[in-house]
Amino acid sequence: KAGVTQTPRYLIKTRGQQVTLSCSPISGHRSVSWYQQTPGQGLQFLFEYFSETQRNKGNFPGRFSGRQFSNSRSEMNVSTLELGDSALYLCASTSGGAKNIQYFGAGTRLSVL
Amino acid sequence: GNSVTQMEGPVTLSEEAFLTINCTYTATGYPSLFWYVQYPGEGLQLLLKATKADDKGSNKGFEATYRKETTSFHLEKGSVQVSDSAVYFCAQQGNSGYSTLTFGKGTMLLVSP
Repeated sequence: KAGVTQTPRYLIKTRGQQVTLSCSPISGHRSVSWYQQTPGQGLQFLFEYFSETQRNKGNFPGRFSGRQFSNSRSEMNVSTLELGDSALYLCASTSGGAKNIQYFGAGTRLSVL
Repeated sequence: GNSVTQMEGPVTLSEEAFLTINCTYTATGYPSLFWYVQYPGEGLQLLLKATKADDKGSNKGFEATYRKETTSFHLEKGSVQVSDSAVYFCAQQGNSGYSTLTFGKGTMLLVSP
């Protein structure tokens, strides 16, 4: 069974631009969560989508948004990029039940110049 | 709120040495506890988990026991290998009905031959 796939693996953007990251979950998984990893703040939860609905959200500004499609694939978007948005963005999928194990993708490395 | 505290690294060991990485948590109720490992340039891989008090998770020679009385989930391995060099993250999953993970800051392990 294929794992969680994130594209692209690397991105370079400039301040003020916007960016869209993609995540394809494990086949059959209906929940997708997004995390931001930085050296200073560590791993922080962004949001979780289940059956195309956002069901949990972390403490990030509104510039960070996401969505989920009917095939469970998810995208996250960051608008008006800031230097501090440079990070590794990780996507994780689960089958959707509470207390299910999260399986992570390799991440997208975003650099904002 | 829920939090996870783990020892700062890097932890530097010689091959075949004994490893302990400390992890404590604060939570309402009884969370599930996890150890994830991250190799350079990769996402997170689940190493082991425990879902209730006194459970012992184990995998690839690593072990951790869920200690409710000390709110701890320390990671141990009897004999480390060079290939164990990575960053290790302790995480909890609460009882809110969501699968969201709260992570510690991570501990880098460096094993020399």
